[in-house]
Amino acid sequence: ETGVTQTPRHLVMGMTNKKSLKCEQHLGHNAMYWYKQSAKKPLELMFVYSLEERVENNSVPSRFSPECPNSSHLFLHLHTLQPEDSALYLCASSQFSGLATEAFFGQGTRLTVV
Amino acid sequence: AQSVSQHNHHVILSEAASLELGCNYSYGGTVNLFWYVQYPGQHLQLLLKYFSGDPLVKGIKGFEAEFIKSKFSFNLRKPSVQWSDTAEYFCAVIAYNQGGKLIFGQGTELSVKP
Repeated sequence: ETGVTQTPRHLVMGMTNKKSLKCEQHLGHNAMYWYKQSAKKPLELMFVYSLEERVENNSVPSRFSPECPNSSHLFLHLHTLQPEDSALYLCASSQFSGLATEAFFGQGTRLTVV
Repeated sequence: AQSVSQHNHHVILSEAASLELGCNYSYGGTVNLFWYVQYPGQHLQLLLKYFSGDPLVKGIKGFEAEFIKSKFSFNLRKPSVQWSDTAEYFCAVIAYNQGGKLIFGQGTELSVKP
């Protein structure tokens, strides 16, 4: 248990569906992140939130829409995804964003787009 | 493009063999360096980190890493691996001149034969 909880653990969705991934951290951290983990590729940073403000949007397609309503919760809203979006989506949190901080990761949501 | 490179995609060792996994990065200036491990079906966990000070860093489970600034390297070592070390290992860097983002290498899969 890392203190970062992601739900659901597995999700299968059609290309016309709308779904949301949820992340919750119980560590009192001020920064939260979404990463995409695809096979044989480096983890790709998608979004960074610091104190509930988006500070990084790493050229992610608009079919991925993040939301950070408070410092403990982070969502990733999904709509009209493509099969190549199938991957493990990881949420992480850290005390703050930037140097000298350690990230804690959730177990991920395994997303399959059919 | 600036990046984090892990030289080995898949390493196979017998128990009690020594391990060294290479990691090089291409960012100048101040960096923080990390090794994370992902055991099968589990979340990413921090093995060790370097922020400043002694370039030889000791982590959990007998792992250590050495920061060699002149070589832009942060190689991971363990003198004697166990079957339970079978996992995927990720090197990651936070670079001050990259806005403090945590950037990952592509990972090295380690298989330890009993």
